[in-house]
Amino acid sequence: GAGVSQSPSNKVTEKGKDVELRCDPISGHTALYWYRQSLGQGLEFLIYFQGNSAPDKSGLPSDRFSAERTGGSVSTLTIQRTQQEDSAVYLCASSTPALLDGRGTEAFFGQGTRLTVV
Amino acid sequence: AQRVTQPEKLLSVFKGAPVELKCNYSYSGSPELFWYVQYSRQRLQLLLRHISRESIKGFTADLNKGETSFHLKKPFAQEEDSAMYYCALRSSGGSNYKLTFGKGTLLTVNP
Repeated sequence: GAGVSQSPSNKVTEKGKDVELRCDPISGHTALYWYRQSLGQGLEFLIYFQGNSAPDKSGLPSDRFSAERTGGSVSTLTIQRTQQEDSAVYLCASSTPALLDGRGTEAFFGQGTRLTVV
Repeated sequence: AQRVTQPEKLLSVFKGAPVELKCNYSYSGSPELFWYVQYSRQRLQLLLRHISRESIKGFTADLNKGETSFHLKKPFAQEEDSAMYYCALRSSGGSNYKLTFGKGTLLTVNP
């Protein structure tokens, strides 16, 4: 079946412009995560959606970053007034809910969107 | 707050040598620990999880709650093991299952 899909694969934008990054999770996965991957910083948590619960936005680096998830499926990460330090690979992942005994399930990752701000 | 620490950014070993990638965590509750791997030009993918107590591609990892560690080990490294390895922690209980990653260790296995 189809995995997590992200678009675009690559995005080059001018400093100060807004960008939207899209994530299509695996069908039926209620948990969705956004991460930023950059050299030396590893995987930086940005935001986490779980079903109809309020998202955990604790990782968003500034108010220029926002994300939404419509209909419990597709998610869009928006970066306003982009800066050069926003250049990174943005990864999306999805997973099924935790098992009834509380155990976690595997997170499946997309191929990422490489954002370059010039 | 939950935190994952991977002290080594780079690790280089020779083929056939043992390898250990270190991971320490900080979490007040009962955590779930995972190792994810990213091979060159591939997606990040799950390698193993502590709950399963499995050996994948010869790798094992034991959760040591006393030392708050989850080190990844393999007795005989292979060239194809060269990749970026990330240790991850997921909080359990409640309704928030945030998945937190360490900064990763780049493993290079030399011939």
